[in-house]
Amino acid sequence: NAGVTQTPKFRILKIGQSMTLQCTQDMNHNYMYWYRQDPGMGLKLIYYSVGAGITDKGEVPNGYNVSRSTTEDFPLRLELAAPSQTSVYFCASSYPLAGGGDTQYFGPGTRLTVL
Amino acid sequence: QKEVEQNSGPLSVPEGAIASLNCTYSDRGSQSFFWYRQYSGKSPELIMFIYSNGDKEDGRFTAQLNKASQYVSLLIRDSQPSDSATYLCAVNLHNAGNMLTFGGGTRLMVKP
Repeated sequence: NAGVTQTPKFRILKIGQSMTLQCTQDMNHNYMYWYRQDPGMGLKLIYYSVGAGITDKGEVPNGYNVSRSTTEDFPLRLELAAPSQTSVYFCASSYPLAGGGDTQYFGPGTRLTVL
Repeated sequence: QKEVEQNSGPLSVPEGAIASLNCTYSDRGSQSFFWYRQYSGKSPELIMFIYSNGDKEDGRFTAQLNKASQYVSLLIRDSQPSDSATYLCAVNLHNAGNMLTFGGGTRLMVKP
């Protein structure tokens, strides 16, 4: 049981380039999330998904796109990278807690630099 | 006003002392509250969650919730240098489904 895995671990992009950050979970969780974390800051939600084929915007979706064709995979696409997208990106999936509510398992993160 | 607020710190405590981390939230209807620990360069990991007013204890950690005053705290007893990390408070706001809103985190430093 690998949990939530993310690739790549590190990436440097030039302004205007595109890339896809991969996220896979093997826990059969329906809910998945993408966050970004800027230095010294908390987590900001980019996009989330409540199940295969269903995605929705979070707090900071501009410049990103997602898809969810399977329960396991939730890739994040960056089009026309900008320096403002330099950040650490975390993928998470959530599971229900006894007594109600969900909590989130995080992947190891992708550190992205846009120059 | 931010939806979930934490003092960014750093909070410095000597080894063996009690570390007290606080979090306030704006949505009175919030139902569930979480504390995550994040070591430098690593991903957040859940250490405590609490739903009901009062205290919840797990080993050296105690979460305290006061819904009337809209704050949640994390106490770490017998603090160890290995507890040095950033602690993120997360709240499941009312009508937010399963979404969590995170505070900016408090950096804790435990000095030997």
